[in-house]
This record gives sequence, structure tokens and C-alpha cells, in this order.
Amino acid sequence: AQSVTQLGSHVSVSEGALVLLRCNYSSSVPPYLFWYVQYPNQGLQLLLKYTTGATLVKGINGFEAEFKKSETSFHLTKPSAHMSDAAEYFCAVSDESNTGKLIFGQGTTLQVKP
Amino acid sequence: GAGVSQSPRYKVAKRGQDVALRCDPISGHVSLFWYQQALGQGPEFLTYFQNEAQLDKSGLPSDRFFAERPEGSVSTLKIQRTQQEDSAVYLCASSNLAGGGAKNIQYFGAGTRLSVL
Repeated sequence: AQSVTQLGSHVSVSEGALVLLRCNYSSSVPPYLFWYVQYPNQGLQLLLKYTTGATLVKGINGFEAEFKKSETSFHLTKPSAHMSDAAEYFCAVSDESNTGKLIFGQGTTLQVKP
Repeated sequence: GAGVSQSPRYKVAKRGQDVALRCDPISGHVSLFWYQQALGQGPEFLTYFQNEAQLDKSGLPSDRFFAERPEGSVSTLKIQRTQQEDSAVYLCASSNLAGGGAKNIQYFGAGTRLSVL
């Protein structure tokens, strides 16, 4: 069965510092991988996705993620954190079935300190 | 509409009451998903519709949970005889494509926060 593990339920960085949110997955087939962001009292918004092709994926708001098959990882990074980046981040893998349902990790809360 | 709309945003129910949660997907979207998000957890899949057909209900936790999408647009998630463990945020998502695939992106509503007392 597929699964997603996000290492670290809470990450705190200073404004301007590098953001690194970790995600590892398990899948028996080539995965489709996603990062979503959730601001308080809002729905999930897609940051970026990996399907095939280039393993370094660029998303919105300066975020990017790299698919590493050998490490079964899809870590999310941003070179310089902004206060507005404070939110909950979810990594997800698309289910192997033909529905496209998503399997999410537990989430990582990003705190940005001034 | 411009996005996925869910109503009500908040619902408080007494244990044993029935509740109905509504989802208005983006107009024309074929696929509709329901997820349950417990406090401090990631969303978990409940059920999937392709147009009016419920193709996957493997995530529904019990027979107290029922979902429908009779005309292939608006969907309702009904929970009968609510229990405290049903307290969660219920998220709806829609997609303009059927099934999975590289181009399939799910757009989420803000959710309904259900509290069962």
C-alpha cells in the first residue's frame, strides 16, 4: 500500500532563512507526488506536483521540490522564508487506483520568526 | 463558481443527530472527492464520484456515512447518528478530469468543521 511520511510535525525558521520540509513516500508504481499548503480556515492549495520528466519541480511562491527515486523522497524547499509562508504543508501521493484519490502525510506546520 | 464551495462552514451537532454537508464543485468538473481531516492529521479519503456515479467508497468509516451526487454536480455527505469520533473537518475537492493521471489536479474547498458534542 502507498504511504507518505513527513518528518517533523513542526518546523521553525527565521525570516530569510532556508525552508526545508521533508517528505518520504512508498509506492510500488512510479508515483505522482504533490505538495499542498493550507492556511488557517482555508482549503488546500496546490504548491507543485511531480508526474514525469524533470525531477526538480518549481511551484508557486518560490517553492520547489526534488523527486529522488533512490531515496523515495520529495522534499520541499524555499531559499528564503517569508512571514506569509507560515502555514501547514501536506505532501501527498496519488493512489495507484484509477480514481486519482490522494494519500496525504500528517502535515508539517511551518513557523516563520521575524 | 470560481472555486469549490462547502456549506455550512461550521456545524455543531449533538451526539445521535443526523447531519448533511454540502459541496458545490467547480462548474463542469467531472470528479468529486470527499476527505476527512481529523485535528492535527492529514486529510483521509472517504469517497469518489465520477459524474453521478460513486466509483469508490472504500474510505467511508461506517454505514452511518452516506454520500450522493444525483445530478453529477452538487454532492451531499450525510452522517447518521453522529458520534464524537466523527468530529473533524470534511473537505471536498473537484477535478476537471476523470480518474487519475498526470494532468489531474484536485481543487479543494475550505471544508466544513463538524463538532459532535
